[in-house]
Amino acid sequence: EVQLVESGGGLVQPGGSLRLSCAASGFIFSSYYMAWVRQAPGKGLEWVGCIANRHDGYIKQYAASVKGRFSISTDESKTTVYLQMNSLKTEDTATYFCVRESWWSYDYWGQGTLVTV
Amino acid sequence: DVVLTQSPLSLPVTLGQPASISCRSSQSLVYSDGNTYLSWFQQRPGLSPRRLIYEVSKRDSGVPDRFSGSGSGTDFTLKISRVEAEDVGLYFCMLGAHWPPYSFGQGTKLEIK
Repeated sequence: EVQLVESGGGLVQPGGSLRLSCAASGFIFSSYYMAWVRQAPGKGLEWVGCIANRHDGYIKQYAASVKGRFSISTDESKTTVYLQMNSLKTEDTATYFCVRESWWSYDYWGQGTLVTV
Repeated sequence: DVVLTQSPLSLPVTLGQPASISCRSSQSLVYSDGNTYLSWFQQRPGLSPRRLIYEVSKRDSGVPDRFSGSGSGTDFTLKISRVEAEDVGLYFCMLGAHWPPYSFGQGTKLEIK
């Protein structure tokens, strides 16, 4: 069974940093692109960024709103994807979802972790 | 960037009646391989999104057959043939395959009348 479990959310002051983790299981981690999607309270979904699989060289892409401040990485040995968030702003307040990408769609979502700035 | 516009944004429906949500794109969503990677997601209150439909009309495993997706080019539709109480929540369309950023529609809130 595919599982994505996020952790690391919490309350942080503007300008501060936070690192979110997403522990993945139930699939061959190195074969899939992974991404982060966020949802501000009462709002819609916003794509944050993604990281390619091993075959595609772990290329990373970011939304313009977070580029230069957020960074995505993976640890294959722990089948975990990370979202390092620096220089946080109040507008970054949201629930952050870890998602698995399959054929250009997001087929599995984590339960989300709330970040309050 | 591609902009996806959903309508309506609020959808009150009587139990047992059909419902339809539109997702319109600012440009054609046909990818270079000829496929269209348009997905639909359901987000029940307090839960994370769940994919219902991918590649316009393919239903995910476990999704009731009262949900169906259709469309082509720039106009896409999610239909629920007979709304049930458990269908209450937000519905989003999403475009994949074009180079990021990936786009989401604004969301449609389905509620029971």
